Amino acid sequence: NAGVTQTPKFQVLKTGQSMTLQCAQDMNHNSMYWYRQDPGMGLRLIYYSASEGTTDKGEVPNGYNVSRLNKREFSLRLESAAPSQTSVYFCASSGPYEQYFGPGTRLTVT
Amino acid sequence: DAKTTQPPSMDCAEGRAANLPCNHSTISGNEYVYWYRQIHSQGPQYIIHGLKNNETNEMASLIITEDRKSSTLILPHATLRDTAVYYCIALGGYFGNEKLTFGTGTRLTIIP
Repeated sequence: NAGVTQTPKFQVLKTGQSMTLQCAQDMNHNSMYWYRQDPGMGLRLIYYSASEGTTDKGEVPNGYNVSRLNKREFSLRLESAAPSQTSVYFCASSGPYEQYFGPGTRLTVT
Repeated sequence: DAKTTQPPSMDCAEGRAANLPCNHSTISGNEYVYWYRQIHSQGPQYIIHGLKNNETNEMASLIITEDRKSSTLILPHATLRDTAVYYCIALGGYFGNEKLTFGTGTRLTIIP
């Protein structure tokens, strides 16, 4: 039981490049989330998916798109990366009363 | 969800009880108090939650005042591995699929 996994662990992009962050969970959870964490700050919700086939915006969705590919996988796409998107990105899924977080992807946009 | 207020940092000696306070004076009757922690740069980890009764699990105890306007997370015998940022979150709903709003939390440092 791996829990929540994220790939890649680290990524450096140039401004304007695109990339997709991958997330998968093996706990059969319905809800999944993408958060970002800037230095010295708490996590902020980007997008979430309450179930397969549905997605909704969170607090900071601009510049991102998401896809809930199936129940296990929830990906986050940056179409045209900007330096303001330099951050650590965490994926999470919901159990009955708690969220389980992945190890994070550290993204730097130069 | 109600706003929560936590001290920015605290120290605690190894082996002693760490008591982390949280104010949530505007909490409503159906909002739970949740605690998560984030060790170094890892993903946050759930610790405990409660509505109005005190709660205890293998990680910690949660004491909620009778008026529910504040709470205290207690780590009974702090170890160096408990050094982390601790987040107190008021959440309207028992279910785990609520969207979490993280503040800046309390940075707890365990001193050897």
